[in-house]
Amino acid sequence: AQSVTQLGSHVSVSEGALVLLRCNYSSSVPPYLFWYVQYPNQGLQLLLKYTTGATLVKGINGFEAEFKKSETSFHLTKPSAHMSDAAEYFCAVRVWVGTALIFGKGTTLSVSS
Amino acid sequence: GAVVSQHPSRVICKSGTSVKIECRSLDFQATTMFWYRQFPKQSLMLMATSNEGSKATYEQGVEKDKFLINHASLTLSTLTVTSAHPEDSSFYICSAREKGIQGSNSPLHFGNGTRLTVT
Repeated sequence: AQSVTQLGSHVSVSEGALVLLRCNYSSSVPPYLFWYVQYPNQGLQLLLKYTTGATLVKGINGFEAEFKKSETSFHLTKPSAHMSDAAEYFCAVRVWVGTALIFGKGTTLSVSS
Repeated sequence: GAVVSQHPSRVICKSGTSVKIECRSLDFQATTMFWYRQFPKQSLMLMATSNEGSKATYEQGVEKDKFLINHASLTLSTLTVTSAHPEDSSFYICSAREKGIQGSNSPLHFGNGTRLTVT
């Protein structure tokens, strides 16, 4: 079975600081990996995804993530946090194209001025 | 881009009544619809998967007689919470898989969610 573990339910950074949100996955076959952001009472917005090819994936709003098979990780980073980045972030995995996403428990990102 | 319109965005109902949530794919055909629920401060949990014209497949622990899913067309899927109780209060989100796009780039499009409060 596939699963996703997000280390740290809450991450706090200062504006301008590096953002690092951790995600580890478990999958018996090469996975498709995703990061989503959710603002309060809203749906999900796709930040980026890894399917095949280049392991460093760039997404929207300056975010990027690197797929590391040896570490079974897909950590999300942003060089400089902005106040508007404060939200809930979900890492997700999908094994087959026709199946649903399996989500991690989420990480709340707080950004202070 | 592809849009999934989910309605209503918020609904308050009395215990014992039924509530219907709709998800429409506005500019694409959705072969598969996934329904999730999300409790406060928690992750999205898959409830069921429905393919157009077929019966939905429910995840373990989800009552199929309570959460009725209909996917009668390629652009509309509905989730009906029957005889709702306060413990059904949650955030429900649909996700649609677009028809015709194969392979790893087959995208999933999410609705904006429905906040259900049962009093």
